[in-house]
Amino acid sequence: AQTVTQSQPEMSVQEAETVTLSCTYDTSESDYYLFWYKQPPSRQMILVIRQEAYKQQNATENRFSVNFQKAAKSFSLKISDSQLGDAAMYFCAYRNNAGNMLTFGGGTRLMVKP
Amino acid sequence: DGGITQSPKYLFRKEGQNVTLSCEQNLNHDAMYWYRQDPGQGLRLIYYSQIVNDFQKGDIAEGYSVSREKKESFPLTVTSAQKNPTAFYLCASSGQGLYGYTFGSGTRLTVV
Repeated sequence: AQTVTQSQPEMSVQEAETVTLSCTYDTSESDYYLFWYKQPPSRQMILVIRQEAYKQQNATENRFSVNFQKAAKSFSLKISDSQLGDAAMYFCAYRNNAGNMLTFGGGTRLMVKP
Repeated sequence: DGGITQSPKYLFRKEGQNVTLSCEQNLNHDAMYWYRQDPGQGLRLIYYSQIVNDFQKGDIAEGYSVSREKKESFPLTVTSAQKNPTAFYLCASSGQGLYGYTFGSGTRLTVV
């Protein structure tokens, strides 16, 4: 079974600085999808960014980018120019190519200091 | 606009009472899911359904029940057998490919 591990329960960053959240996963598949979700205090889950494993190019969405290292099974999220609104729980998730169920990591709480 | 709707937003349950949480989607997604989230914690899978009239237990199904009579609807009943039901409940749906899950806005259940 696939597992997803987020080793940082909490992180903090100064406003306008850059922070990287870690995620590792375990799979024997070669083709799969990876996701980062944000859960702000409203508790609405918001998709931040996604990556297809067969694509070598790292995904980028505005201030959010990933560092996808397939051989190392690592999928970290970098947030540049951090804003107060980035404060939230962040969940990493994995999905194999055959199914549609996501496996979630345990989450990282990000605090942004003004 | 397509989306997934959970209701009610807040729900209060008396001891020994069954309550049902609603989840409706108009995204034409085949698969639907129920998750429980305790304060400061991650998501735990309660039940999921890949197709109408079929569903499977997740990691913490005891004390919960579901039905999937229509593609659009996947209600969750929290029964009196669930001894600690106070939590935040999230419903999600998914199609194929890159798109991951679409989540509802959640239901906060409190036992009074």
